[in-house]
Amino acid sequence: QTVVTQEPSFSVSPGGTVTLTCGLNSASVSTDYFPSWYQQTPGQAPRPLIYNTRTRCSGVPDRFSGSILGNKAALTITGAQADDESDYYCGLYMGRGISVFGPGTKVTVL
Amino acid sequence: QLQLVESGGGVVQPGGSLRLSCAASGFTFTNYAIHWVRQAPGKGLEWVAVISYDGSKKFYADFVGGRFTISRDNSRNTLYLQMSSLGAVDTAVYYCARCPGGTSHLGMDVWGRGTTVTVSS
Repeated sequence: QTVVTQEPSFSVSPGGTVTLTCGLNSASVSTDYFPSWYQQTPGQAPRPLIYNTRTRCSGVPDRFSGSILGNKAALTITGAQADDESDYYCGLYMGRGISVFGPGTKVTVL
Repeated sequence: QLQLVESGGGVVQPGGSLRLSCAASGFTFTNYAIHWVRQAPGKGLEWVAVISYDGSKKFYADFVGGRFTISRDNSRNTLYLQMSSLGAVDTAVYYCARCPGGTSHLGMDVWGRGTTVTVSS
């Protein structure tokens, strides 16, 4: 069974840089999986950040960037701010119309 | 202004049915595939289903097991999710989300605020 992996949690200092990753237990993530990234704070709908590996959604600042690092998709936050403290989910396209989400990474800014 | 607005949620008894709607505005609805995504209380995001821009292709998560049907009415700019044989595990906030393209593979770039479904006796 395919399982999407994400770090459970990450801590970053204000102004610092953090890179979150999104992997698969049985394969390498490449652009063929069209990775996407979403930010969510408690009680709110997800905010789309990145789609198709590295395309930023409307209104998303350029301190959020998507890439492939090794065998995983990655979301890098540069110059972290207090309101970046959120849960971050990756999404992958698995083929045949099917999409899956990762379990999420909780990012703390302190 | 790009907008997706879900409706139709509520409390339903186990084994019951419910139809969710998602009204789109601010963009050409007929150009885009649309997803349904759900989130159980305290849990992560779970992909449910997607429909292509013209409604010709529909795909579902395995857990749906034939119980849900996704559809769209492009004349009304509205997406639907017909759900039946509901169980407690289906209790969640249901979101509709636009794919930045006519087919399903690119992810989601516009989300609604969600509608809450509670399955309880």
